[in-house]
Amino acid sequence: QVQLVESGGGLVKPGGSLRLSCAASGFTFSDYYMSWIRQAPGKGLEWVSYISSSSSYTNYADSVKGRFTISRDNAKNSLYLQMNSLRAEDTAVYYCAREVAAAATFDYWGQGTLVTVSS
Amino acid sequence: QSALTQPRSVSGSPGQSVTISCTGTSSDVGGYNYVSWYQQHPGKAPKLMIYDVSKRPSGVPDRFSGSKSGNTASLTISGLQAEDEADYYCCSYAGSYTFGVFGGGTKLTVL
Repeated sequence: QVQLVESGGGLVKPGGSLRLSCAASGFTFSDYYMSWIRQAPGKGLEWVSYISSSSSYTNYADSVKGRFTISRDNAKNSLYLQMNSLRAEDTAVYYCAREVAAAATFDYWGQGTLVTVSS
Repeated sequence: QSALTQPRSVSGSPGQSVTISCTGTSSDVGGYNYVSWYQQHPGKAPKLMIYDVSKRPSGVPDRFSGSKSGNTASLTISGLQAEDEADYYCCSYAGSYTFGVFGGGTKLTVL
């Protein structure tokens, strides 16, 4: 069955960096677009970034553009999110999600990893 | 402020029907037939319930249905059950630049 397992979250100071990972299994990872979506404590969902199946296309929400970088390694069935210049407002649970047809439709989600930005 | 507008809360008794609205603009909900709905129980990851406005993934009960009129999409849950109590989020494709926009979420309470 499809499984997505995030890791790499934790406590980081403002201005710091963190790299999230998402290990995928149960499907042909290289066939799918993937996204990162976040949820601040007690708040709603916010799409963060997507990457195409072959890494040819990426896109970012304005709130993270220039600070976050999405990447993937299809040989390792893994998705990554490099987060730099972190701010308090980046505090959230970060989910990786599999996309359906690159149409902002997410059919499988991981359990999430919590990123806390605080001094 | 969320890009798509949802009611903060709705409620209904077991067996009843409830409808949750999701209002956007012609640049998102009204411009594409790529509206999806997600159910989220506390402490859990979201689960896809409806995609492409009205399609149900395998395993989702047919009590859940979706529709769209103009810039407003709707999720209807009929025959409410206790386990339907959760937060519900809509999401719409908004073009290759903005990509995906979510609603602020609606808390469904089963009385």
